[in-house]
Amino acid sequence: AQKITQTQPGMFVQEKEAVTLDCTYDTSDPSYGLFWYKQPSSGEMIFLIYQGSYDQQNATEGRYSLNFQKARKSANLVISASQLGDSAMYFCAMREGATSGTYKYIFGTGTRLKVLA
Amino acid sequence: EAGVTQFPSHSVIEKGQTVTLRCDPISGHDNLYWYRRVMGKEIKFLLHFVKESKQDESGMPNNRFLAERTGGTYSTLKVQPAELEDSGVYFCASSFETSYNEQFFGPGTRLTVL
Repeated sequence: AQKITQTQPGMFVQEKEAVTLDCTYDTSDPSYGLFWYKQPSSGEMIFLIYQGSYDQQNATEGRYSLNFQKARKSANLVISASQLGDSAMYFCAMREGATSGTYKYIFGTGTRLKVLA
Repeated sequence: EAGVTQFPSHSVIEKGQTVTLRCDPISGHDNLYWYRRVMGKEIKFLLHFVKESKQDESGMPNNRFLAERTGGTYSTLKVQPAELEDSGVYFCASSFETSYNEQFFGPGTRLTVL
């Protein structure tokens, strides 16, 4: 069954340090997409980064990078040079391809990140 | 360009009452999704509209939930009658195409059933 696992309910990181948020997934679909969203205390879900299952290179977006290890089925989010504004809940999500007939997301339970000054 | 909007932002109702949540997707987005997060749990898919048609409603919990998208624009999600376990945050998302494009989420509606 399709599943996303985020094993870190909470994380702390010192300002300006890098932090890795873990995400593992399980799917039998050869075509899928992996997403990370940030949810600050205000509640909105902010798209951060996307990795396609056929992408050869790891995705990067500014201070965000996705460490994609396909054989291990992991898609960890790396935030470099953490800022106080990075404190939020982070969700990993997977979208399967056409074989499922829909493009719904499957989410993990989230990791709450706290950046310390 | 306006983002996905949801109304109301919060709703507190008694068990047995009816509540209707509204979602306005980004203009031009044919795909509209409803998700729900119950306290402490993962965000779960409820259903997916393509324009006014229900593409996938496999995540709808039971027949107390009714979603509509008349005219393929905004969508409503009605819960009738509401139960305690319906409490949570209801998110709406929209996307331009069903390929790899990311879904844009609204701020959510926090529903509390007392």
